[in-house]
Amino acid sequence: GAVVSQHPSRVICKSGTSVKIECRSLDFQATTMFWYRQFPKQSLMLMATSNEGSKATYEQGVEKDKFLINHASLTLSTLTVTSAHPEDSSFYICSARGQTGLPEQYFGPGTRLTVT
Amino acid sequence: SQQGEEDPQALSIQEGENATMNCSYKTSINNLQWYRQNSGRGLVHLILIRSNEREKHSGRLRVTLDTSKKSSSLLITASRAADTASYFCATASLGSARQLTFGSGTQLTVLP
Repeated sequence: GAVVSQHPSRVICKSGTSVKIECRSLDFQATTMFWYRQFPKQSLMLMATSNEGSKATYEQGVEKDKFLINHASLTLSTLTVTSAHPEDSSFYICSARGQTGLPEQYFGPGTRLTVT
Repeated sequence: SQQGEEDPQALSIQEGENATMNCSYKTSINNLQWYRQNSGRGLVHLILIRSNEREKHSGRLRVTLDTSKKSSSLLITASRAADTASYFCATASLGSARQLTFGSGTQLTVLP
């Protein structure tokens, strides 16, 4: 089956620093990748949609200059949280869709970000 | 944005009993999917039902979809302690991106 990995699985950083999270599709080419954020005991909130080779589309209320998304290849998308603040601490999950046009999205295992 | 509401928010049952979770949504959809999430982990895709389908089965799972009421239900039969997790419905929008909008989730606890 389709596998999506995320790295790192956990990261702790200091306020004001930047953190990069990678999302990789391991055995398929992902034309579209999605980034979600999930606060404790809450649902997933879509942050942005990225298509390979083009700029990401951000959801309302998500600062594109703070959450930089790069989808440089068909197997890799990165999310960089810039100038992190404690309120950015959350569980970040990516998902990917393949080229076949099938509706399924395949989710990564998530990255736990803690900003101190 | 959050589209779906799920109820109940939390459900506690004994092993062997059936668990039913409901999901309501607001806009037209291409399909509806159910996911499972163990605490602190990623999502596991359980089942997808398309907008022109009314019922679907997969093992101990049964999903129904009523597009006229904009609602879906997930039934887990003969529950096991290992089924303890959060369950989310997610609706896929019309259009090429088919973004998923997640419901608020149901925390299921199956007591041994």
